[in-house]
Amino acid sequence: AQKVTQAQTEISVVEKEDVTLDCVYETRDTTYYLFWYKQPPSGELVFLIRRNSFDEQNEISGRYSWNFQKSTSSFNFTITASQVVDSAVYFCALRPRETSGSRLTFGEGTQLTVNP
Amino acid sequence: DSGVTQTPKHLITATGQRVTLRCSPRSGDLSVYWYQQSLDQGLQFLIQYYNGEERAKGNILERFSAQQFPDLHSELNLSSLELGDSALYFCASSAGPGTGGTEAFFGQGTRLTVV
Repeated sequence: AQKVTQAQTEISVVEKEDVTLDCVYETRDTTYYLFWYKQPPSGELVFLIRRNSFDEQNEISGRYSWNFQKSTSSFNFTITASQVVDSAVYFCALRPRETSGSRLTFGEGTQLTVNP
Repeated sequence: DSGVTQTPKHLITATGQRVTLRCSPRSGDLSVYWYQQSLDQGLQFLIQYYNGEERAKGNILERFSAQQFPDLHSELNLSSLELGDSALYFCASSAGPGTGGTEAFFGQGTRLTVV
């Protein structure tokens, strides 16, 4: 069974602060994929990043960075110098690598509010 | 723009009615997934189709059904609607099985309100 836990239901920061969104997952699969999606107030789900379980290299994309630690089953997401436009619900998701098709298991999401 | 198109964007209907939600996947994607997002259940996987065939089922009610057509677009049919079916319904597409690492791209969703 797959499970994704985002313990932070809501986070509120002031613009320009750094913020880290936590994600912890459970899976019995040896190969799997982790994702982050952003859901702004308009409602759509926007893909942010995919990380393969066999690649623990951290990734940075502009103000976004991701820290994958297989030893602690965590895949945390940091926004540096947050902006009001970063306000959204962020979802962490897990997908096993299966030949018969792979569904995403989502966490409950973290509502991030960045105040001016 | 994810390349996944969902219609309609909004739907208001009465209890007991039947509605059809439509999804056009990204060009070249063979897999289509349907998810339901409600306030109390979060994002729940409903069903997946790959190249016209049902591939996986999640928490989909018997009143709900789906299919994927030869042109790869998909429809989700919701019948005997109840107030609790009010939710945001997402369609997503990806390249398909065996390519589990590829990300799923989501449409903008159909917001269903049952009154």
